Amino acid sequence: QKEVEQNSGPLSVPEGAIASLNCTYSDRGSQSFFWYRQYSGKSPELIMFIYSNGDKEDGRFTAQLNKASQYVSLLIRDSQPSDSATYLCAVRNYGQNFVFGPGTRLSVLP
Amino acid sequence: EPEVTQTPSHQVTQMGQEVILRCVPISNHLYFYWYRQILGQKVEFLVSFYNNEISEKSEIFDDQFSVERPDGSNFTLKIRSTKLEDSAMYFCATFDTGGMNEQFFGPGTRLTVL
Repeated sequence: QKEVEQNSGPLSVPEGAIASLNCTYSDRGSQSFFWYRQYSGKSPELIMFIYSNGDKEDGRFTAQLNKASQYVSLLIRDSQPSDSATYLCAVRNYGQNFVFGPGTRLSVLP
Repeated sequence: EPEVTQTPSHQVTQMGQEVILRCVPISNHLYFYWYRQILGQKVEFLVSFYNNEISEKSEIFDDQFSVERPDGSNFTLKIRSTKLEDSAMYFCATFDTGGMNEQFFGPGTRLTVL
């Protein structure tokens, strides 16, 4: 059974702070890793993806991947109230299918 | 910008009835997916579809479910005899294996089984 785990939260951070979201996965064959944001009642929207160990930055977002530890994280710098949402980690293996984690609810306090 | 569309946005049905949820994928995408999300729970994979056939399905996708691409553009999910526990948001997604490797989600259909 391929599992993706996330802390459910809520994670509360003040506006302007760094939010750190974590994800672990069980399948060592996983190849690519995705972070989605989901607002209540809406569909997931892709924030960014990462394939290689290390960091990948896109604007205020940084994804970090450590395949040896089976760990991927998302940092959000200068958090804004509009970042308040549920963040989903998704993992894809050699196939084309995605396994989603349960999501972490982030609340950015003004 | 191309997008995945789904109809209807909300479907209310009686237990035991058949429902068909429709999706129009992005035209040059090759992989199609159906996911389910019960209120307050995680996004669950149901089935993936490639080259006009199912490539993988989950334990949830039992004999009550079927998918097809009837006319080469629409991608449908049929639930033959709905149960109360089928009430959920159903998302269609398509995957681009080209440059971006990005999975695009449709807005979802909220299914309510009474």
